Amino acid sequence: DAGVIQSPRHEVTEMGQEVTLRCKPISGHNSLFWYRQTMMRGLELLIYFNNNVPIDDSGMPEDRFSAKMPNASFSTLKIQPSEPRDSAVYFCASSYGTLQETQYFGPGTRLLVL
Amino acid sequence: QKEVEQNSGPLSVPEGAIASLNCTYSDRGSQSFFWYRQYSGKSPELIMFIYSNGDKEDGRFTAQLNKASQYVSLLIRDSQPSDSATYLCAVPHSGGYQKVTFGTGTKLQVIP
Repeated sequence: DAGVIQSPRHEVTEMGQEVTLRCKPISGHNSLFWYRQTMMRGLELLIYFNNNVPIDDSGMPEDRFSAKMPNASFSTLKIQPSEPRDSAVYFCASSYGTLQETQYFGPGTRLLVL
Repeated sequence: QKEVEQNSGPLSVPEGAIASLNCTYSDRGSQSFFWYRQYSGKSPELIMFIYSNGDKEDGRFTAQLNKASQYVSLLIRDSQPSDSATYLCAVPHSGGYQKVTFGTGTKLQVIP
């Protein structure tokens, strides 16, 4: 089976531009997570969904960030407008179950905002 | 106090030695604990999880849990250069669902 799929793998953009990151979770998984990883702050949870419903978005840094999950097989994380401090690796992960289950990570999107 | 704390390292051990990685957490209600390995430029992957106090062994890896002390560790026996990576401790929140807090990770270097 395919793992978690993310696109694009790399994104370079200029400050002020809109950035959209995409994720396809593992088929059958019912939870989806968006993380951001930087050297300074490590791996931070931005938002997670359970059965396509956002459960906790307390990690979303500000209103410039938004996430959607229109169906069980697709999610987006949007940054508008982007800023240089948004430069990081963004991971999507998925899991199955309702308790504390293993999360499977995608390859990540490396974002650079100039 | 951070929710999950790890020494950032780097921790350098010679090939064949035992590497000991430590993690402390603040949520006393946490029931399960995970260790992820992340190679440079790659995504995290699960290597061990533990639910009960005591030791859990899987090949060269042993996870140790002490809930009273809020301490979890990972031992890697017979360390190999291929074990060189960053090891992330992950602790789910006790409030339900699947929210997990990751430590900042310990970078391990195994010297041939």
